[in-house]
Amino acid sequence: QLQLQESGPGLVKASETLSLTCSVSGDSVSSSNYYWGWIRQSPGKGPEWIGNIYHSGSTYYNRSLKSRLTMSVDTSKNQFSLTLSSVTAADTAIYYCASCSTSCIFWASWGQGTLVTVSS
Amino acid sequence: DIQMTQSPSSVSASLGDRVTMTCRASQDISSWLAWYQQKPGKAPKVLIYAASNLQSGVPSRFSGSGSGTDFTLTITSLQPEDVATYYCQQANSFPYTFGQGTTLEI
Repeated sequence: QLQLQESGPGLVKASETLSLTCSVSGDSVSSSNYYWGWIRQSPGKGPEWIGNIYHSGSTYYNRSLKSRLTMSVDTSKNQFSLTLSSVTAADTAIYYCASCSTSCIFWASWGQGTLVTVSS
Repeated sequence: DIQMTQSPSSVSASLGDRVTMTCRASQDISSWLAWYQQKPGKAPKVLIYAASNLQSGVPSRFSGSGSGTDFTLTITSLQPEDVATYYCQQANSFPYTFGQGTTLEI
């Protein structure tokens, strides 16, 4: 049973960098069976896909965030991470980490989500 | 980007009712559509993938249909635990996109 858990600061100042980590248990982040991803959800809105990363380090980013976004995998800690630079109030959201199979036609496992608020 | 439009935005029904909600894609996505259920304070949970495939462990009262641009999620015999917001998501092409949701009330 794959389990995912987000961690990171809940408050980030505008113009600074948001950094989140997702800890994976139940399988290895090095597994070739999964894509790892980040999805966020602003209050009262539908989810927004942020990006995917494969164990090899291959990434697929939402082009609306691409210039500010970096995703990485840390196999030694069985974690993957997200950094989003130059944040604004529009980046305030619940951030979820999630996993999908290599076909990635749906997100099967999700973390519980972590609220990140961008303050001015 | 492919836009996903859900209707209605909210629906009220009675226990035991049959409920239908729709999702329309702005372009052909074949059958690459998933439906999720989200309860307050929780992460979304997949119900249906590839338009009509029931995810393991999901009650059989949930079903999905459609292809191309028009899709439907049907709940037969509505139960109290079905109160939630339902989202569709296309997986045809990046960036993956979600609809704005249909909130189901009893």
